[in-house]
This record gives sequence, C-alpha cells and structure tokens, in this order.
Amino acid sequence: KAGVTQTPRYLIKTRGQQVTLSCSPISGHRSVSWYQQTPGQGLQFLFEYFSETQRNKGNFPGRFSGRQFSNSRSEMNVSTLELGDSALYLCASSIETRRTGELFFGEGSRLTVL
Amino acid sequence: GENVEQHPSTLSVQEGDSAVIKCTYSDSASNYFPWYKQELGKGPQLIIDIRSNVGEKKDQRIAVTLNKTAKHFSLHITETQPEDSAVYFCAARGNYGQNFVFGPGTRLSVLP
Repeated sequence: KAGVTQTPRYLIKTRGQQVTLSCSPISGHRSVSWYQQTPGQGLQFLFEYFSETQRNKGNFPGRFSGRQFSNSRSEMNVSTLELGDSALYLCASSIETRRTGELFFGEGSRLTVL
Repeated sequence: GENVEQHPSTLSVQEGDSAVIKCTYSDSASNYFPWYKQELGKGPQLIIDIRSNVGEKKDQRIAVTLNKTAKHFSLHITETQPEDSAVYFCAARGNYGQNFVFGPGTRLSVLP
C-alpha cells in the first residue's frame, strides 16, 4: 500500500512569491491534515480537510490556504511568501473513524524562502 | 484550546539504558495520546498510542503510561539501541473530528 506522497520535496522561493504544495493521501483515507514544522515551533497545525471540506483550521494568517479534491488529494497554498515561512510542510492522512485516528505522515516538502 | 508540554527537549543515554520522555496536556476532554518518532529527513511515524480508558500499554521495548488525573503521559524505551536515536513527539486529541496538538519534541541520542 503506497504511503502519503508529497510533492515537491524541496523548493526555493523568494519573498513575495506564492507556492503550492501537493499531497496524495493513502488510498481510502478521507482526512488530510497539514502541519508546519520549524526548529523552534515544532509541529504547528495548519488545517484539516475531510471529504473536500475544511474541518479545522489552525492559527495561521489568511496567506495560508488549502483545498481537497474529490479523490482526497489535497493542496496547500502560501501567498506573498515571507522569510519566516521557511519550514518543512508535512501532510498527514487518516482513515478517520470513531475508533481510530492514527495519522500517517508524508516525508514533507521543505520550503526555503530567500 | 489544548496545550501539550514535553520534557526534556534533549536526552542522551548510553546504549542499553532506558529513556523516559514526559508530556502533560491541559484539556481534560482529550482521550487519545499517540507518540511519533521522526528520523532525519523523514516524516513522523506512529510508534505507540494509548486511549484514555487504559493506564498502560506495551509493545516490546516501548511502553506508554497515562495518568488522567494528573493529565500527563510518558514514553518509556528500555534497552535503547542506536537506531532509537530520533526526535520523539507526543500528541493529544479529543473527540472524533478534532485536530491533534503536538508537543515540541524530544531529541533522543543513544550513545554507543
């Protein structure tokens, strides 16, 4: 069974640009969550999508947005990039039943903003 | 909202010794507590989890204990090996549909 796939794995952008990251969840998983990981802040929750609907949102500015498609694939977008947006962006999928809640993480997209 | 604290931030142990990482949470409604291991260049991977209806769970060299009254839970690794070296994250979650809140992580180094 294929794991969570994130693309691209590495990217470099300059301030003011925008970026789109993609996540393909494990087959059958309907929940996709996004996290920002930085050395000082750990894993910070960005948002979660379930069946194409945003179910939860973390405390990030409106420059950070996302969406989920009917095949459960998800994208997140960051507009008007700032230096502080440099981080590892992790996507996690979950089968999300009332009895299980394990998150399966991808290997992340490492964004560097210059 | 939920807040998860984790200690220590770094931990070095000799190979074969035990390692203990502790987490506290603030929301008494949280009922699911997973532990994730993140190796260099990889995403976090679940190693063990516990639900609020049990106090302890073991899986070979790894165990997790939960004290609901004190709102803290701990990861215990016995007979540590160099491949246990990684960053470990604890997390807490409430009911179905709520998001996970992660601790800041513990960097464990197992010295040969």
